[in-house]
Amino acid sequence: AQSVSQHNHHVILSEAASLELGCNYSYGGTVNLFWYVQYPGQHLQLLLKYFSGDPLVKGIKGFEAEFIKSKFSFNLRKPSVQWSDTAEYFCAVNAGNTDKLIFGTGTRLQVFP
Amino acid sequence: GAGVSQTPSNKVTEKGKYVELRCDPISGHTALYWYRQSLGQGPEFLIYFQGTGAADDSGLPNDRFFAVRPEGSVSTLKIQRTERGDSAVYLCASSPAGLAGKGTGELFFGEGSRLTVL
Repeated sequence: AQSVSQHNHHVILSEAASLELGCNYSYGGTVNLFWYVQYPGQHLQLLLKYFSGDPLVKGIKGFEAEFIKSKFSFNLRKPSVQWSDTAEYFCAVNAGNTDKLIFGTGTRLQVFP
Repeated sequence: GAGVSQTPSNKVTEKGKYVELRCDPISGHTALYWYRQSLGQGPEFLIYFQGTGAADDSGLPNDRFFAVRPEGSVSTLKIQRTERGDSAVYLCASSPAGLAGKGTGELFFGEGSRLTVL
């Protein structure tokens, strides 16, 4: 069965610090990978996705993620965070030929001015 | 409306009661998903509809949970004989065509229905 691990449960940063959130998945076949974000009081929304091609994908608001197949990882990065990035971030995986999206437990990011 | 709409936004009920949660997806989206999110956890897959049929109900925890989508649009999640452990936020999402094949890969989520079982 597919599973997703997010090792950082709570991350606290100051504005302008760099961010990297870890995500590892377990599934041996073709996968599609996603990062979703939930801002305080809002619904989940897509940040970025990887289906195929360039393993470095860019999303909204300056976020990017790199798919490393050999490490079963899809870490999220941002060079310089802003206070408005305070939110909960969820990594998710979809096995290539199914419609089920499996989420990790999430990482709560707090950015202080 | 432009987004996924879920009602009620909050529901408090007593143990043993029956509950219905409604989801109105984005118009034209054939795929509809139900997830459950407990405190401190990520969304947990419950069931997926493609059109009117439940294409994957492997996430439903037991036979107290049931969902329908009779006309391929609005869906209702039904929980019988509620238990305290059912307390969670129930999320609905829709997608133009699902995730596999030619899907866009994006699920559009509603704001959720928070269920509290006393």
